Amino acid sequence: EAGVTQFPSHSVIEKGQTVTLRCDPISGHDNLYWYRRVMGKEIKFLLHFVKESKQDESGMPNNRFLAERTGGTYSTLKVQPAELEDSGVYFCASSPLGRQYGYTFGSGTRLTVV
Amino acid sequence: GENVEQHPSTLSVQEGDSAVIKCTYSDSASNYFPWYKQELGKRPQLIIDIRSNVGEKKDQRIAVTLNKTAKHFSLHITETQPEDSAVYFCAASPSNFGNEKLTFGTGTRLTIIP
Repeated sequence: EAGVTQFPSHSVIEKGQTVTLRCDPISGHDNLYWYRRVMGKEIKFLLHFVKESKQDESGMPNNRFLAERTGGTYSTLKVQPAELEDSGVYFCASSPLGRQYGYTFGSGTRLTVV
Repeated sequence: GENVEQHPSTLSVQEGDSAVIKCTYSDSASNYFPWYKQELGKRPQLIIDIRSNVGEKKDQRIAVTLNKTAKHFSLHITETQPEDSAVYFCAASPSNFGNEKLTFGTGTRLTIIP
């Protein structure tokens, strides 16, 4: 079974530019989550999709962040325009719906805004 | 919302000794407590979890204990080995199914000294 895949693994962009992160969950996993870890701090929740619907987006920092999951398969997280404080590692995770399993995380995208 | 505190932030132990990492949480509604291990450059991986109807769970050299009254839970690793070196994260969630957002601690960097 393929794991959760994230692209790109690293991204360095200038302040004010746009970046789009992509997550491919495990096939059949209806739950998809985005998390972020800023250097040395906790892994913080951003949002949760169930299929194509946003179940909880209470962790999204501001309206510069836009997440989509068209068709309920892969998801994208766009940051526009990027600010220095957006730097960190963005993790995606997926899990089956209605089953008592923990998440499977992707390897993350390390975003550096300079 | 939920707040999870994790201690210590760094921990060094001699190979073969035991390691203990402690977490406290604030929301009495939390009832699912997973632990994740993240090796350098790799994805966080679930190593053990516990639900509120259980006080202790063990899997080979790893055990987790939960005290719901005091709102704290701990990870115990016995007979530590070099491959146990990693960052460990505790987390809490209000869901029994692990399908809702996790609130993470800030992580513990565990180093096993050969």
